[in-house]
Amino acid sequence: GNSVTQMEGPVTLSEEAFLTINCTYTATGYPSLFWYVQYPGEGLQLLLKATKADDKGSNKGFEATYRKETTSFHLEKGSVQVSDSAVYFCALMNNAGNMLTFGGGTRLMVKP
Amino acid sequence: DTAVSQTPKYLVTQMGNDKSIKCEQNLGHDTMYWYKQDSKKFLKIMFSYNNKELIINETVPNRFSPKSPDKAHLNLHINSLELGDSAVYFCASSLDGHSMARTFGSGTRLTVV
Repeated sequence: GNSVTQMEGPVTLSEEAFLTINCTYTATGYPSLFWYVQYPGEGLQLLLKATKADDKGSNKGFEATYRKETTSFHLEKGSVQVSDSAVYFCALMNNAGNMLTFGGGTRLMVKP
Repeated sequence: DTAVSQTPKYLVTQMGNDKSIKCEQNLGHDTMYWYKQDSKKFLKIMFSYNNKELIINETVPNRFSPKSPDKAHLNLHINSLELGDSAVYFCASSLDGHSMARTFGSGTRLTVV
């Protein structure tokens, strides 16, 4: 079956540091890939997505590139802010488009 | 206005009790979901309803029963609660069963004591 693996947290960074959260996946066919973010006390929000190989999703300074050859979708941001502190979930959608599989989540803590 | 709202936000109850969590979406979406987030932060699909019809039912105990009175509501009933049911439960919706994006509620933290 499909699965998503992402680096365990917490990841602790100083403000303006560079962020990478690794995500790799196992899936048949051509899944779509997503990053969701969960701020404290809130539900999950879609951060960015990519639907085919080599697509780059971007939003709010975050980027992730769909790498089929390495089955990866790593999340990056050049300069994090305290307000980026949250839990980040990598996810994939199956070919049929009716099942979303999440990774375990990575907690990011950004210190001033 | 909250797009996907679920109540209650927190629920503490004793083992053996029966409880319900309600979910409503005002987005006009056709498909709704229940996810369980365990202590390790893994999110697992439990149920998916499309326009009031069950389309996904993962392996969850029969004690869990979703009920969808209309396509804007998907409530989760849990009978004979057990300690292992303690988790955060998220409701979500999407435009239809093939839509890539999910809109999530803020979660219900269930604690069984």
